Amino acid sequence: EVQLVESGGGAVQPGGSLRLSCAASGFSLSDAWMHWVRQAPGKGLVWVSRVSSDGSFTTYADSVKGRFTISRDNTKNTIYLQMNSLRAEDTALYYCAKVAGGEGAFDVWGQGTMVTVSS
Amino acid sequence: DIQMTQSPSSLSASVGDRVTITCRASQSISSYLSWYQQKPGKAPKLLIFAASTLQSGVPSRVSGSGSGTDFTLTISSLQPEDFATYFCQQSYSLPWTFGLGTKVEIK
Repeated sequence: EVQLVESGGGAVQPGGSLRLSCAASGFSLSDAWMHWVRQAPGKGLVWVSRVSSDGSFTTYADSVKGRFTISRDNTKNTIYLQMNSLRAEDTALYYCAKVAGGEGAFDVWGQGTMVTVSS
Repeated sequence: DIQMTQSPSSLSASVGDRVTITCRASQSISSYLSWYQQKPGKAPKLLIFAASTLQSGVPSRVSGSGSGTDFTLTISSLQPEDFATYFCQQSYSLPWTFGLGTKVEIK
């Protein structure tokens, strides 16, 4: 079964850091561009970041640029999101998602990991 | 950034009804448009990609159309499992953006 499982979320104070992980099973991550998408409680979906299949190319939303770093370890079939200088507005459920082919559609999603930034 | 405007934000419908949701992009996105269904506490599920291509396993009562700036998602005969929130998403240019969602509720 094709599956993504996120972990690493939790509660952190403003200015703190967290590292999210997303482990894939049932397929090889090395074939796919991978993304992080977040959803604040009761709100819509917001794209956060993406990494190319080989990890050489990354892109970020302006709201997280300079604070978040996406990376991947294809030998572990896992991607990561290092989140530094966290703010209250970063509070959200963070999903990792796989892009299907060249159409830009997310065909596999994880169940999400919750990040709460609060003093 | 490309803004995606969905309408309506919510609707009430009965089982068997035909439901149409629209999504308008603030600029042309060709056919780089996907639709997702999300149920409470669950991750989004891909329904349609490339504006009109049905994702594998999605029932044929679901369809998508449009190109450029105007798109629609249609459910031809609403079933109990279709009550959920639906989002559109553009992948024409970064940052990829989503509509705010349309909540389909039981009348």
